[in-house]
Amino acid sequence: QKEVEQNSGPLSVPEGAIASLNCTYSDRGSQSFFWYRQYSGKSPELIMSIYSNGDKEDGRFTAQLNKASQYVSLLIRDSQPSDSATYLCAVNGGSGGYQKVTFGTGTKLQVIP
Amino acid sequence: EAQVTQNPRYLITVTGKKLTVTCSQNMNHEYMSWYRQDPGLGLRQIYYSMNVEATDKGDVPEGYKVSRKEKRNFPLILESPSPNQTSLYFCASSLGAGYNEKLFFGSGTQLSVL
Repeated sequence: QKEVEQNSGPLSVPEGAIASLNCTYSDRGSQSFFWYRQYSGKSPELIMSIYSNGDKEDGRFTAQLNKASQYVSLLIRDSQPSDSATYLCAVNGGSGGYQKVTFGTGTKLQVIP
Repeated sequence: EAQVTQNPRYLITVTGKKLTVTCSQNMNHEYMSWYRQDPGLGLRQIYYSMNVEATDKGDVPEGYKVSRKEKRNFPLILESPSPNQTSLYFCASSLGAGYNEKLFFGSGTQLSVL
């Protein structure tokens, strides 16, 4: 079982729709959860972080965390073509400590105009 | 401008020829880390450093060396590169290694070992 699992996609959504990206993790002791966006040929950049159960909203982005189910998700409302990228889920604070950030393989999102 | 600078951006080399990929950050960050990114495998941590002269292995350290003699620099050394080290490499840094630390990434180095 991978430590952080994501569906590789591609996930295709029409412009203006809600994109839902999901991630599960295996280390129950994990404390911090991040979503990074990576455009093709570019480096990852942080878009959201979440540390406690529930929802966290930032503009069009909402991160959701359920530690009991070991599940974290990212919702993108009013999806735009510029949101087309690979979204990486990252987790730390588990058995490896905070110095070990573990990434999923990413979900490729395509927003169709 | 706050940034993590990696060089070179692209590198083609041959098996066994020692190489160094440089990484420098200007944000006074304590924590630095190297990752490699391969299709289907995602980002995997190679080595990390909590501070000067403090380095430790990540998930895939075999075939790599690092050093942290200065806070701002964290070079990645491949003493005898092999084709299975062909990959996209990222250096990253953060203020520390706390629960809420955001990683800042360099622009990446695409390495091909022939």
